[in-house]
Amino acid sequence: AQTVTQSQPEMSVQEAETVTLSCTYDTSENNYYLFWYKQPPSRQMILVIRQEAYKQQNATENRFSVNFQKAAKSFSLKISDSQLGDTAMYFCAFMKQQGGSEKLVFGKGTKLTVNP
Amino acid sequence: SAVISQKPSRDICQRGTSLTIQCQVDSQVTMMFWYRQQPGQSLTLIATANQGSEATYESGFVIDKFPISRPNLTFSTLTVSNMSPEDSSIYLCSVGEGYDEQYFGPGTRLTVT
Repeated sequence: AQTVTQSQPEMSVQEAETVTLSCTYDTSENNYYLFWYKQPPSRQMILVIRQEAYKQQNATENRFSVNFQKAAKSFSLKISDSQLGDTAMYFCAFMKQQGGSEKLVFGKGTKLTVNP
Repeated sequence: SAVISQKPSRDICQRGTSLTIQCQVDSQVTMMFWYRQQPGQSLTLIATANQGSEATYESGFVIDKFPISRPNLTFSTLTVSNMSPEDSSIYLCSVGEGYDEQYFGPGTRLTVT
Protein backbone atom coordinates (compact mmCIF):
# COMPACT_ATOMS: atom_id res chain seq x y z
CA ALA A 1 0.00 0.00 0.00
CA GLN A 2 1.16 3.49 -0.77
CA THR A 3 1.98 5.70 2.20
CA VAL A 4 3.01 9.32 2.47
CA THR A 5 5.07 10.60 5.38
CA GLN A 6 5.53 14.21 6.41
CA SER A 7 7.95 14.25 9.32
CA GLN A 8 7.53 17.90 10.29
CA PRO A 9 4.20 18.54 12.04
CA GLU A 10 4.94 22.25 12.38
CA MET A 11 7.41 24.72 10.95
CA SER A 12 7.90 28.44 11.06
CA VAL A 13 9.82 30.87 8.89
CA GLN A 14 10.46 34.56 8.79
CA GLU A 15 8.87 36.57 6.06
CA ALA A 16 11.07 36.76 2.92
CA GLU A 17 13.12 33.74 3.93
CA THR A 18 13.16 30.26 2.40
CA VAL A 19 11.70 27.13 3.94
CA THR A 20 11.69 23.49 2.86
CA LEU A 21 8.96 21.03 3.78
CA SER A 22 9.81 17.34 3.67
CA CYS A 23 7.82 14.46 2.24
CA THR A 24 8.67 10.83 1.63
CA TYR A 25 6.48 8.17 0.14
CA ASP A 26 6.44 4.46 -0.41
CA THR A 27 5.26 2.77 -3.57
CA SER A 28 6.16 -0.09 -5.85
CA GLU A 29 4.75 1.68 -8.91
CA ASN A 30 7.01 3.20 -11.51
CA ASN A 31 4.71 5.85 -12.91
CA TYR A 32 2.75 8.06 -10.56
CA TYR A 33 2.07 11.65 -9.66
CA LEU A 34 2.88 13.69 -6.59
CA PHE A 35 1.23 16.83 -5.34
CA TRP A 36 1.57 19.51 -2.72
CA TYR A 37 -1.70 21.00 -1.57
CA LYS A 38 -2.16 24.05 0.63
CA GLN A 39 -5.00 24.48 3.10
CA PRO A 40 -5.14 28.01 4.52
CA PRO A 41 -7.05 28.66 7.74
CA SER A 42 -10.16 29.31 5.59
CA ARG A 43 -10.05 25.59 4.81
CA GLN A 44 -10.24 25.54 0.98
CA MET A 45 -7.62 23.15 -0.38
CA ILE A 46 -5.71 24.43 -3.37
CA LEU A 47 -3.00 22.87 -5.48
CA VAL A 48 0.48 24.28 -5.02
CA ILE A 49 2.50 22.13 -7.38
CA ARG A 50 2.40 18.82 -9.24
CA GLN A 51 5.17 16.45 -10.29
CA GLU A 52 5.01 13.57 -12.73
CA ALA A 53 7.32 10.76 -11.69
CA TYR A 54 8.57 10.05 -15.19
CA LYS A 55 9.85 13.61 -15.53
CA GLN A 56 13.34 14.11 -14.14
CA GLN A 57 13.05 17.88 -14.13
CA ASN A 58 11.80 19.32 -10.86
CA ALA A 59 8.52 21.22 -11.09
CA THR A 60 8.46 24.93 -10.29
CA GLU A 61 5.61 27.40 -9.85
CA ASN A 62 6.80 30.92 -9.16
CA ARG A 63 8.15 30.88 -5.58
CA PHE A 64 7.37 27.19 -5.12
CA SER A 65 9.65 24.41 -6.29
CA VAL A 66 10.17 20.78 -5.51
CA ASN A 67 13.18 18.56 -5.05
CA PHE A 68 12.05 15.23 -6.45
CA GLN A 69 14.38 12.33 -5.73
CA LYS A 70 12.72 9.28 -7.25
CA ALA A 71 15.25 6.71 -6.06
CA ALA A 72 15.01 8.02 -2.51
CA LYS A 73 11.22 8.43 -2.81
CA SER A 74 11.50 11.96 -1.56
CA PHE A 75 9.44 14.96 -2.65
CA SER A 76 10.24 18.13 -0.71
CA LEU A 77 8.67 21.55 -1.26
CA LYS A 78 10.75 24.71 -1.18
CA ILE A 79 9.05 28.04 -0.65
CA SER A 80 11.23 31.02 -1.50
CA ASP A 81 10.65 34.59 -0.37
CA SER A 82 8.00 33.44 2.11
CA GLN A 83 4.95 35.64 2.44
CA LEU A 84 2.42 35.97 5.25
CA GLY A 85 -0.20 34.47 2.94
CA ASP A 86 1.81 31.26 2.79
CA THR A 87 0.71 30.48 6.35
CA ALA A 88 -1.29 27.26 5.98
CA MET A 89 -1.32 23.51 6.34
CA TYR A 90 0.64 21.86 3.56
CA PHE A 91 -0.22 18.36 2.49
CA CYS A 92 1.93 16.11 0.35
CA ALA A 93 -0.12 13.65 -1.69
CA PHE A 94 0.47 10.64 -3.89
CA MET A 95 -1.92 9.76 -6.67
CA LYS A 96 -2.54 6.09 -7.30
CA GLN A 97 -4.81 4.19 -9.62
CA GLN A 98 -7.25 1.93 -7.89
CA GLY A 99 -10.47 0.38 -9.03
CA GLY A 100 -10.44 2.21 -12.33
CA SER A 101 -10.00 5.68 -10.89
CA GLU A 102 -7.12 7.80 -9.68
CA LYS A 103 -7.10 8.47 -5.95
CA LEU A 104 -5.09 10.71 -3.69
CA VAL A 105 -3.32 9.50 -0.57
CA PHE A 106 -2.37 12.34 1.75
CA GLY A 107 0.34 12.76 4.33
CA LYS A 108 -0.53 14.09 7.77
CA GLY A 109 0.43 17.62 6.84
CA THR A 110 2.86 20.31 7.98
CA LYS A 111 1.56 23.45 9.61
CA LEU A 112 3.62 26.34 8.30
CA THR A 113 3.60 29.72 9.99
CA VAL A 114 5.21 32.71 8.31
CA ASN A 115 6.20 35.33 10.87
CA PRO A 116 6.44 39.04 10.09
CA SER B 1 -10.62 24.27 -13.43
CA ALA B 2 -13.78 23.65 -11.40
CA VAL B 3 -15.64 25.68 -8.82
CA ILE B 4 -17.24 23.60 -6.09
CA SER B 5 -19.76 24.62 -3.48
CA GLN B 6 -20.95 22.68 -0.48
CA LYS B 7 -24.00 23.00 1.72
CA PRO B 8 -24.20 23.39 4.62
CA SER B 9 -20.91 25.04 5.46
CA ARG B 10 -21.25 23.91 9.04
CA ASP B 11 -23.77 22.24 11.31
CA ILE B 12 -24.22 21.07 14.85
CA CYS B 13 -26.22 17.87 15.12
CA GLN B 14 -27.55 15.65 17.84
CA ARG B 15 -26.25 12.16 18.34
CA GLY B 16 -28.32 9.56 16.46
CA THR B 17 -29.52 11.89 13.72
CA SER B 18 -28.43 12.11 10.08
CA LEU B 19 -27.08 14.95 7.97
CA THR B 20 -26.98 15.20 4.21
CA ILE B 21 -24.20 17.27 2.66
CA GLN B 22 -24.57 18.61 -0.84
CA CYS B 23 -21.78 19.16 -3.36
CA GLN B 24 -22.37 21.20 -6.51
CA VAL B 25 -19.85 21.65 -9.33
CA ASP B 26 -19.97 24.35 -11.99
CA SER B 27 -19.11 21.92 -14.80
CA GLN B 28 -19.84 18.33 -15.71
CA VAL B 29 -17.41 15.86 -14.19
CA THR B 30 -17.22 12.10 -14.20
CA MET B 31 -15.56 11.42 -10.87
CA MET B 32 -16.42 12.99 -7.54
CA PHE B 33 -14.73 12.14 -4.28
CA TRP B 34 -15.76 12.49 -0.65
CA TYR B 35 -13.15 12.95 2.09
CA ARG B 36 -13.22 13.19 5.85
CA GLN B 37 -10.79 15.38 7.75
CA GLN B 38 -10.92 14.74 11.47
CA PRO B 39 -9.76 17.53 13.78
CA GLY B 40 -6.09 18.26 13.24
CA GLN B 41 -5.73 15.31 10.90
CA SER B 42 -5.15 14.66 7.23
CA LEU B 43 -7.74 13.87 4.60
CA THR B 44 -9.06 10.34 4.31
CA LEU B 45 -10.98 9.22 1.25
CA ILE B 46 -14.45 7.93 2.08
CA ALA B 47 -15.71 6.99 -1.36
CA THR B 48 -15.60 7.67 -5.06
CA ALA B 49 -18.86 8.57 -6.80
CA ASN B 50 -19.14 7.93 -10.51
CA GLN B 51 -22.35 9.13 -12.13
CA GLY B 52 -24.58 6.25 -13.12
CA SER B 53 -23.03 3.65 -10.86
CA GLU B 54 -22.83 2.77 -7.20
CA ALA B 55 -20.25 4.61 -5.14
CA THR B 56 -17.04 2.77 -4.33
CA TYR B 57 -16.15 2.86 -0.64
CA GLU B 58 -12.69 2.75 0.91
CA SER B 59 -11.76 0.32 3.63
CA GLY B 60 -13.37 1.31 6.91
CA PHE B 61 -16.33 3.11 5.34
CA VAL B 62 -19.67 1.48 4.59
CA ILE B 63 -22.69 2.48 2.58
CA ASP B 64 -25.10 2.15 5.49
CA LYS B 65 -23.18 4.78 7.42
CA PHE B 66 -22.25 7.06 4.51
CA PRO B 67 -24.80 6.67 1.69
CA ILE B 68 -23.91 8.66 -1.40
CA SER B 69 -26.04 9.79 -4.29
CA ARG B 70 -24.80 10.96 -7.68
CA PRO B 71 -27.89 11.83 -9.73
CA ASN B 72 -26.07 13.79 -12.45
CA LEU B 73 -22.68 15.02 -13.60
CA THR B 74 -22.67 18.18 -11.48
CA PHE B 75 -24.11 17.11 -8.13
CA SER B 76 -23.59 14.63 -5.32
CA THR B 77 -24.72 14.16 -1.75
CA LEU B 78 -23.11 12.43 1.21
CA THR B 79 -25.25 11.45 4.19
CA VAL B 80 -23.69 10.85 7.58
CA SER B 81 -26.13 8.50 9.29
CA ASN B 82 -26.82 7.72 12.93
CA MET B 83 -24.18 10.21 13.97
CA SER B 84 -21.96 9.93 17.02
CA PRO B 85 -19.42 12.42 18.39
CA GLU B 86 -16.69 10.48 16.54
CA ASP B 87 -18.24 11.68 13.28
CA SER B 88 -17.32 15.27 14.12
CA SER B 89 -15.10 16.23 11.20
CA ILE B 90 -14.81 18.36 8.13
CA TYR B 91 -16.28 16.63 5.10
CA LEU B 92 -14.95 17.69 1.71
CA CYS B 93 -15.92 16.81 -1.80
CA SER B 94 -13.55 17.03 -4.72
CA VAL B 95 -13.56 16.44 -8.45
CA GLY B 96 -10.81 15.35 -10.76
CA GLU B 97 -10.11 13.47 -13.95
CA GLY B 98 -7.28 11.04 -14.36
CA TYR B 99 -3.97 12.22 -12.99
CA ASP B 100 -4.89 15.86 -13.21
CA GLU B 101 -5.35 18.17 -10.27
CA GLN B 102 -8.26 17.50 -7.95
CA TYR B 103 -10.34 20.53 -7.03
CA PHE B 104 -11.80 20.70 -3.56
CA GLY B 105 -14.91 22.23 -2.12
CA PRO B 106 -14.77 24.50 0.94
CA GLY B 107 -15.85 21.68 3.24
CA THR B 108 -18.67 21.11 5.71
CA ARG B 109 -17.71 21.36 9.36
CA LEU B 110 -19.84 18.90 11.34
CA THR B 111 -20.06 18.84 15.11
CA VAL B 112 -22.02 16.05 16.78
CA THR B 113 -23.13 16.58 20.36
